[in-house]
Amino acid sequence: AQTVTQSQPEMSVQEAETVTLSCTYDTSESDYYLFWYKQPPSRQMILVIRQEAYKQQNATENRFSVNFQKAAKSFSLKISDSQLGDAAMYFCAYRRAQGAQKLVFGQGTRLTINP
Amino acid sequence: ETGVTQSPTHLIKTRGQQVTLRCSSQSGHNTVSWYQQALGQGPQFIFQYYREEENGRGNFPPRFSGLQFPNYSSELNVNALELDDSALYLCASSWRTGASTEAFFGQGTRLTVV
Repeated sequence: AQTVTQSQPEMSVQEAETVTLSCTYDTSESDYYLFWYKQPPSRQMILVIRQEAYKQQNATENRFSVNFQKAAKSFSLKISDSQLGDAAMYFCAYRRAQGAQKLVFGQGTRLTINP
Repeated sequence: ETGVTQSPTHLIKTRGQQVTLRCSSQSGHNTVSWYQQALGQGPQFIFQYYREEENGRGNFPPRFSGLQFPNYSSELNVNALELDDSALYLCASSWRTGASTEAFFGQGTRLTVV
């Protein structure tokens, strides 16, 4: 079975600075997708960034980028120029490329932005 | 806003009762997944429906059941409620093509069992 581990229950960063959230996963599959989701107090899961395992290039979306290390099964999220609106729970998630589109989530990291 | 709506937003039920949660998927999406998120935890996959048929199930007992309708909306039914069923229930819809697709989530239903 696939598992996703986020070892940082809480992180904090000063506004405008950079923070990195860690995620490791375990799978025997070679083809899969990895995601970072943001869950603000409104509870709705919002997709931040997605990485296809077959792509070596790290995904980037504006201030958000990932460091995908396939051999190490590591998938960290870097947030640059942190803004107050970035404060939320962040979840790392895994999905197989084939079969049911089941997302396997980590336990989450609560990110606090200090003004 | 994702276009995925869930109802009700909050619900209080008594242990042993039955509950039905509803989800309207985003227009054009044919796949709906349900997740249970206990307080302080990541969401756990309950099951998925594709074209009105169950298409994958997580480690949940049979008293968790679902339906998907021809318009791709969905229901989650839980029988014989237990205190541990108290959680946020999330619905996600997507378009299943076999390629990478994004799942869009609703705001969830907060279920409290007393």
